[in-house]
Amino acid sequence: EPEVTQTPSHQVTQMGQEVILRCVPISNHLYFYWYRQILGQKVEFLVSFYNNEISEKSEIFDDQFSVERPDGSNFTLKIRSTKLEDSAMYFCASSALAPNTGELFFGEGSRLTVL
Amino acid sequence: GNSVTQMEGPVTLSEEAFLTINCTYTATGYPSLFWYVQYPGEGLQLLLKATKADDKGSNKGFEATYRKETTSFHLEKGSVQVSDSAVYFCALTFSGSARQLTFGSGTQLTVLP
Repeated sequence: EPEVTQTPSHQVTQMGQEVILRCVPISNHLYFYWYRQILGQKVEFLVSFYNNEISEKSEIFDDQFSVERPDGSNFTLKIRSTKLEDSAMYFCASSALAPNTGELFFGEGSRLTVL
Repeated sequence: GNSVTQMEGPVTLSEEAFLTINCTYTATGYPSLFWYVQYPGEGLQLLLKATKADDKGSNKGFEATYRKETTSFHLEKGSVQVSDSAVYFCALTFSGSARQLTFGSGTQLTVLP
């Protein structure tokens, strides 16, 4: 069964360092997403991406964040200069072009720890 | 803004017990409602959904009914199994939102043999 894969599963970094989280969405999907969950808190929407551009982003997704689909298979989230409060589980998701089914397929998550 | 409130966890039940996980929402208009489940070591998976009032979503013995009058979408299962142990997330979305999901905080369920 096709699945969304994420790497790394866990990354530890120093505050101020750049981090890139990678995702391989399901191959025939057209919408891509990043969500995050700070420990003990809700899963929060960060950004959605379609047709090689951002289609929606939340207030969390500030200038420190960027997304890219560099090669038609990977979908990356970059945090330019990490802060302590960026420590969270980051989930990538993808969906096929379908009317409002809400059926997103999620990866297992990448845990980011900022020290 | 839109929000989803879920029953606080963790929830621990014995096998074959009845399960209810409460979920209520606040939204302008009529969202579509979902339950996602996250098994240990896996990503979130869609469990069931309902797109309009009075719809009942069901899957794997789980059910939830979209109640507009109480703005609720409670998850139920008549007889839980150890394999149902997971984190359950209630979520909503609106059409035209690039399918952005608004999630609840998740409820950890542990089923004991």
